[in-house]
Amino acid sequence: GNSVTQMEGPVTLSEEAFLTINCTYTATGYPSLFWYVQYPGEGLQLLLKATKADDKGSNKGFEATYRKETTSFHLEKGSVQVSDSAVYFCALSPPGSSNTGKLIFGQGTTLQVKP
Amino acid sequence: DVKVTQSSRYLVKRTGEKVFLECVQDMDHENMFWYRQDPGLGLRLIYFSYDVKMKEKGDIPEGYSVSREKKERFSLILESASTNQTSMYLCASSLSGLASGANVLTFGAGSRLTVL
Repeated sequence: GNSVTQMEGPVTLSEEAFLTINCTYTATGYPSLFWYVQYPGEGLQLLLKATKADDKGSNKGFEATYRKETTSFHLEKGSVQVSDSAVYFCALSPPGSSNTGKLIFGQGTTLQVKP
Repeated sequence: DVKVTQSSRYLVKRTGEKVFLECVQDMDHENMFWYRQDPGLGLRLIYFSYDVKMKEKGDIPEGYSVSREKKERFSLILESASTNQTSMYLCASSLSGLASGANVLTFGAGSRLTVL
């Protein structure tokens, strides 16, 4: 079946450090891939997405590249800020569900950035 | 600013009580969702609606029902709350079809339910 696996957290970094949060997926065919972020006390919001292999999604300094060969969509940022502290969710939209909006989410990775 | 509004941020209920969680969106979205968020488990889909009066079971529908009488409103109902339904409940909406952004979900802030 379809599934998403994220690295376990929490991830604790100092400000300006490099961030990687690993995400791998299992799916038949070619899913669309997403990163959502949940700031404290808020709902999830879309951070970035990629819809086909080798696409790179980017937003707010974050990037992720859709790697079909390794079934991965790792999230990276070159220099994190305290305001990036949040929970990050990797998600996929299974092939054939493009008109339903039904997503499968990973378990979430908590990022804590210290000044 | 577009919004998904969940009526209650925090609720405390007793075992066996009937619980209603309300969600309203102002974006004229066709699709609406109820997810449950638990630590270490991520988000799990409870129910999904793609049109008024239409619903589809998600991955964990047992113990829940839903109602969508109007396009903008999607309610989650716990007929008889149990302690294992203590959780954060997230409502979301999205466009339908092949419209740009059809897979982009807009979430509400969540309703944290505690069942004693």
